[in-house]
Amino acid sequence: TQLLEQSPQFLSIQEGENLTVYCNSSSVFSSLQWYRQEPGEGPVLLVTVVTGGEVKKLKRLTFQFGDARKDSSLHITAAQPGDTGLYLCARGSNAGGTSYGKLTFGQGTILTVHP
Amino acid sequence: NAGVMQNPRHLVRRRGQEARLRCSPMKGHSHVYWYRQLPEEGLKFMVYLQKENIIDESGMPKERFSAEFPKEGPSILRIQQVVRGDSAAYFCASSPRRDSGRRPQHFGDGTRLSIL
Repeated sequence: TQLLEQSPQFLSIQEGENLTVYCNSSSVFSSLQWYRQEPGEGPVLLVTVVTGGEVKKLKRLTFQFGDARKDSSLHITAAQPGDTGLYLCARGSNAGGTSYGKLTFGQGTILTVHP
Repeated sequence: NAGVMQNPRHLVRRRGQEARLRCSPMKGHSHVYWYRQLPEEGLKFMVYLQKENIIDESGMPKERFSAEFPKEGPSILRIQQVVRGDSAAYFCASSPRRDSGRRPQHFGDGTRLSIL
């Protein structure tokens, strides 16, 4: 089993603060996806990163893929209450394996942004 | 999450009954994935199906659980003789072709299964 370690597990901050969520593995990712999930709903894809060192921005969210493709981070600038939710990283399958199609998720970071 | 339709949204069963969860993928998608989520946890892969074929069932419990994706109609996740430990949210995702991780899977809003 190729595990994904996400940290922190819980994050409670005030509106306007910055935060970073981390996703790490001991093995190389072929790609990595970040999802956000709100209570009672399914995960919604935020971004996919595939190239080592890649940085993608989505408004106040910045996603970074490590050079060695073993780790990723999500940074939120000036957090707002609407950012509250469960943030999940997920890795795709390694090319050539029989486990294609399967996403492996981290355990998630529960973010609460207080007004 | 428009597109992937799951029903019912909530399902209550007594121990020993059967639970049937349905998933209609997005239009044009022929690949379906089922995941299970326990409270405040990430999602765990269960099974990956293509029309009429099970591609990967490595995450499925060996007993009581089965899945199908017939040529016509939705994909069905079936749990026989449910036990309290089956209580969870079950999510279905679909993609237009085999997902190597680079082509995103689109998720439904899940079925919350509660076992009394």
